[in-house]
Amino acid sequence: GAGVSQSPSNKVTEKGKDVELRCDPISGHTALYWYRQSLGQGLEFLIYFQGNSAPDKSGLPSDRFSAERTGGSVSTLTIQRTQQEDSAVYLCASSSGLAGAEQFFGPGTRLTVL
Amino acid sequence: LAKTTQPISMDSYEGQEVNITCSHNNIATNDYITWYQQFPSQGPRFIIQGYKTKVTNEVASLFIPADRKSSTLSLPRVSLSDTAVYYCLVERGNDYKLSFGAGTTVTVRA
Repeated sequence: GAGVSQSPSNKVTEKGKDVELRCDPISGHTALYWYRQSLGQGLEFLIYFQGNSAPDKSGLPSDRFSAERTGGSVSTLTIQRTQQEDSAVYLCASSSGLAGAEQFFGPGTRLTVL
Repeated sequence: LAKTTQPISMDSYEGQEVNITCSHNNIATNDYITWYQQFPSQGPRFIIQGYKTKVTNEVASLFIPADRKSSTLSLPRVSLSDTAVYYCLVERGNDYKLSFGAGTTVTVRA
């Protein structure tokens, strides 16, 4: 596609439920990133994929958060047993994977945990 | 990664030049300086990147002094559509993480 796409655009869930957020990166981009942005805040790095491997998961806030990437393309961020503090916009970005390469961001998924 | 400090907000009027200065005192030799722009309800968008001296593209200019401990993003002749949050980032040359601070909210008025 022309850019990074994410789905759903909005997700409202109840506390304790599991949610899956999807990211479709730009075709050919080997690197994929997940960030989280709380209201009025800057972006918080969560995880980085190079191909299907995630060499750095240090940004994941807790073991309730996991992510995978298959076929070097689509990625899914899963949040288990959601809590109200998980409410935020979850942004995905992709890049060519070269050092210093521009990251292209998707529109984000707004997650609201009631 | 070097911590960055930039003003929380700036106001301007259409047609004026806006300059946002970012401090990064602990920048390392192989670090780059990158600026992103974010509109409400959208992901950030790359504006410009530089290592030293001056870089210019169709959107902005980036001025970096010799000591590289600060940088200034210059937006010429802003319009209402330039109202956004602007983030200054320091990127390690051999690393991948982007570290975003709170950014500078630029409001352009008619």
